[in-house]
Amino acid sequence: GESVGLHLPTLSVQEGDNSIINCAYSNSASDYFIWYKQESGKGPQFIIDIRSNMDKRQGQRVTVLLNKTVKHLSLQIAATQPGDSAVYFCAETRRAGGTSYGKLTFGQGTILTVHP
Amino acid sequence: DTEVTQTPKHLVMGMTNKKSLKCEQHMGHRAMYWYKQKAKKPPELMFVYSYEKLSINESVPSRFSPECPNSSLLNLHLHALQPEDSALYLCASRNPGSNTGELFFGEGSRLTVL
Repeated sequence: GESVGLHLPTLSVQEGDNSIINCAYSNSASDYFIWYKQESGKGPQFIIDIRSNMDKRQGQRVTVLLNKTVKHLSLQIAATQPGDSAVYFCAETRRAGGTSYGKLTFGQGTILTVHP
Repeated sequence: DTEVTQTPKHLVMGMTNKKSLKCEQHMGHRAMYWYKQKAKKPPELMFVYSYEKLSINESVPSRFSPECPNSSLLNLHLHALQPEDSALYLCASRNPGSNTGELFFGEGSRLTVL
C-alpha cells in the first residue's frame, strides 16, 4: 500500500549542531512533499515543502532534499536550537483532480531533542 | 498563533453522550479537513470538504458525522463513541488552488471518552 515512513524514530543533538531527519516514501505519484513540526500540545506547523520535480529547496535554517530515485526525503536543520525540539513529520500530497488537492498523508514522525 | 480555531480544547464525554467539535477559519480557504491523532502517532485523515461538499471519507465509522455549514465552519458531531476514540482531533484548511501542499492546522480538540 501507499506509505510515507521514517528511518529513525528519535534524534538527539547538541545545541548548535546540524540535524538531519530522514523519510522514505513508497508512492511515486505524489506532487508535493512537506515537512511539519509538532510541538507538545499543538497542531502540526508547516516548515517547508518541495515539489516532486525539484531535488532541493532551502528555507531559513532548513533545507529539504528529495531523491526520487530511492524515494527518500530529508530535512536538514542548521544550527539546531532548543526551540527546535519537537516531533517532525514528513507528509505527501497529490492532486485530487483539476486544481484541487486531496489527501495529505503523514509519515510516522521523528522526535527531535536538542540539548543545551 | 494559528488562524484555524478549534473548540473546545478539551472534551470528556460518556459513551452515550452526543457532542460536537467545532472548527473555524477566516482565511478564505475552501478545503477543510478533520484528522485524528493518537498519542505518539501521525495524524490520520478522516474527512475532507472541498467547497463545502464532502469529497473524502476515509471509511470513518458513522458515529462520527461531519458537517460544513459554510465556507468558514466545520463541525464534527460525535455520538455513541467508544473509549478507543479518545484522541486529539485536528482541523485543517487549505486553498484548493494553492501552489503548495500546505495545510493550516488548528491546535486540536483533545477528546476523552469514558
